[in-house]
Amino acid sequence: AQKVTQAQTEISVVEKEDVTLDCVYETRDTTYYLFWYKQPPSGELVFLIRRNSFDEQNEISGRYSWNFQKSTSSFNFTITASQVVDSAVYFCALRVAGNQFYFGTGTSLTVIP
Amino acid sequence: DTEVTQTPKHLVMGMTNKKSLKCEQHMGHRAMYWYKQKAKKPPELMFVYSYEKLSINESVPSRFSPECPNSSLLNLHLHALQPEDSALYLCASSRRPDGNTGELFFGEGSRLTVL
Repeated sequence: AQKVTQAQTEISVVEKEDVTLDCVYETRDTTYYLFWYKQPPSGELVFLIRRNSFDEQNEISGRYSWNFQKSTSSFNFTITASQVVDSAVYFCALRVAGNQFYFGTGTSLTVIP
Repeated sequence: DTEVTQTPKHLVMGMTNKKSLKCEQHMGHRAMYWYKQKAKKPPELMFVYSYEKLSINESVPSRFSPECPNSSLLNLHLHALQPEDSALYLCASSRRPDGNTGELFFGEGSRLTVL
């Protein structure tokens, strides 16, 4: 069975602070894909990153960085120097063979000016 | 701007009404999806259309009826809905539908209220 856990329901930080969103996944498949999506109040889910199970390289994109560790089944997301525009709900998701995406329950991030 | 377009953005309907939600993508994607999202919850898959074949989540009630006129369009027909069906309905597409890397590209959603 597949499962994605985002233990942090809500996080509040003051602008310019760094914040890490945790994601832990479960799967017995050896080939899988992990994703992060951002959902601002407007509703659209915005794709941020995809990582496959054979690539444990961490990635940095501007103020965003992702840490993938197969040993702990985690795919954590860090925002450096947070901004008010980062306020949103962030979903971690897992995809194995087939069409099904398994979403975590989401972490609501509020950045306080 | 999203390349998946959904209309209408907001819809209010009574329980006896018949309405439709529309979704369009022009990215040449071969799979399209309908998701339902309640407040403070993750999206839940309702239907998948891939390679001209529709897959249905068995738990979705028959008052929701998908239709795929062509590979770029996906409709969701609504009939005799219940107030608990009020939610954000998200359409998504992906490049390749089967067992692969394709991320989902979402539209902005249609926010449905059933009175």
